[in-house]
Amino acid sequence: EADIYQTPRYLVIGTGKKITLECSQTMGHDKMYWYQQDPGMELHLIHYSYGVNSTEKGDLSSESTVSRIRTEHFPLTLESARPSHTSQYLCASNPRGKSYEQYFGPGTRLTVT
Amino acid sequence: RKEVEQDPGPFNVPEGATVAFNCTYSNSASQSFFWYRQDCRKEPKLLMSVYSSGNEDGRFTAQLNRASQYISLLIRDSKLSDSATYLCVVSNDYKLSFGAGTTVTVRA
Repeated sequence: EADIYQTPRYLVIGTGKKITLECSQTMGHDKMYWYQQDPGMELHLIHYSYGVNSTEKGDLSSESTVSRIRTEHFPLTLESARPSHTSQYLCASNPRGKSYEQYFGPGTRLTVT
Repeated sequence: RKEVEQDPGPFNVPEGATVAFNCTYSNSASQSFFWYRQDCRKEPKLLMSVYSSGNEDGRFTAQLNRASQYISLLIRDSKLSDSATYLCVVSNDYKLSFGAGTTVTVRA
């Protein structure tokens, strides 16, 4: 099993709240990713990081932000949650030189009411 | 146009059957190809890489056709545990592009 963790697993929150989704991995991977996935749909890359102090936006426009202060930690923050943010958020990382071999966390299922 | 297109299925097959499905990709410069497996409400996991020469991993056979830009996966002797959604994945540099998946349900 991959050593990548996400909390919370489920979150129901009201519109306008600030939320942070946590992601941690203990595999020492430099590259980390955040994906968004709706039921029956493909994963969309929203943020990625090459390592500490590196963050980049992905293909899907997102109102979220990320930070990478420590190798093992890659939190995602929504400053003001909206119903359109309702989705599953998946964090992933990969070993150096193997960007195709991504290990995913269990995901956070976010519902904004 | 989506980068990766898959028939969503579902493919409902009896145990022991062979099931095969394809995906197509739009970027002819794509470099690497993979199949991931995603169980219901779980995270995706790498199933296997796909090579032009074709490759097998137990009961699973993957094939790549660069000229026609499609990738295939064949599952022989299906087991109940093969029930899942199979994601076709294409890599360009560091980025992975995922298809929406083909759902396979194996029935007893």
